Amino acid sequence: DTAVSQTPKYLVTQMGNDKSIKCEQNLGHDTMYWYKQDSKKFLKIMFSYNNKELIINETVPNRFSPKSPDKAHLNLHINSLELGDSAVYFCASSHKVHNSPLHFGNGTRLTVT
Amino acid sequence: AQSVTQPDIHITVSEGASLELRCNYSYGATPYLFWYVQSPGQGLQLLLKYFSGDTLVQGIKGFEAEFKRSQSSFNLRKPSVHWSDAAEYFCAVEGTNAGKSTFGDGTTLTVKP
Repeated sequence: DTAVSQTPKYLVTQMGNDKSIKCEQNLGHDTMYWYKQDSKKFLKIMFSYNNKELIINETVPNRFSPKSPDKAHLNLHINSLELGDSAVYFCASSHKVHNSPLHFGNGTRLTVT
Repeated sequence: AQSVTQPDIHITVSEGASLELRCNYSYGATPYLFWYVQSPGQGLQLLLKYFSGDTLVQGIKGFEAEFKRSQSSFNLRKPSVHWSDAAEYFCAVEGTNAGKSTFGDGTTLTVKP
């Protein structure tokens, strides 16, 4: 039983294209996140949704648009992809209470050529 | 705002040797602290967490960490490292915004046979 699953695992595309990454969690959590991990493995939060409401929106280009159709799903759409968008994108979920750890998906490796 | 520093980018230990990974945090109040491990091609997995109570916390896979308020540290330890412990280790701190964790830059652990 996969707790946090994201698809696709790999995504190779050309500059200028639009792509989406999907994420689903079956843990009953009320909060979901998108993190970006760059080539140096630095991990930074991008967005967070609590019960379908956007609660964290870090300094991310508006080419990135998250969408949460329900609290078990959080998708990430990226318009006009750029070379610098190449990274591993992680979906995560948790309860929105302090000390609730994050549960991560296995990541989507995005390569923009 | 909270921040985390992991001073060691890369550590190499021999199998069976003891391990200590350093983590220093910056936060005005009592922080919520976490250690996560990331195996190659995988998402992050929680090893242990701390908020209050006993300052020595036990985690999975034989890991433990000690919270030292006077040193603003939360170092991760293991008495005897196994080859399967080779991975990337991240320390994280959560402040007033429940669910918003700030991650350190990670420490890569290599285990020599």
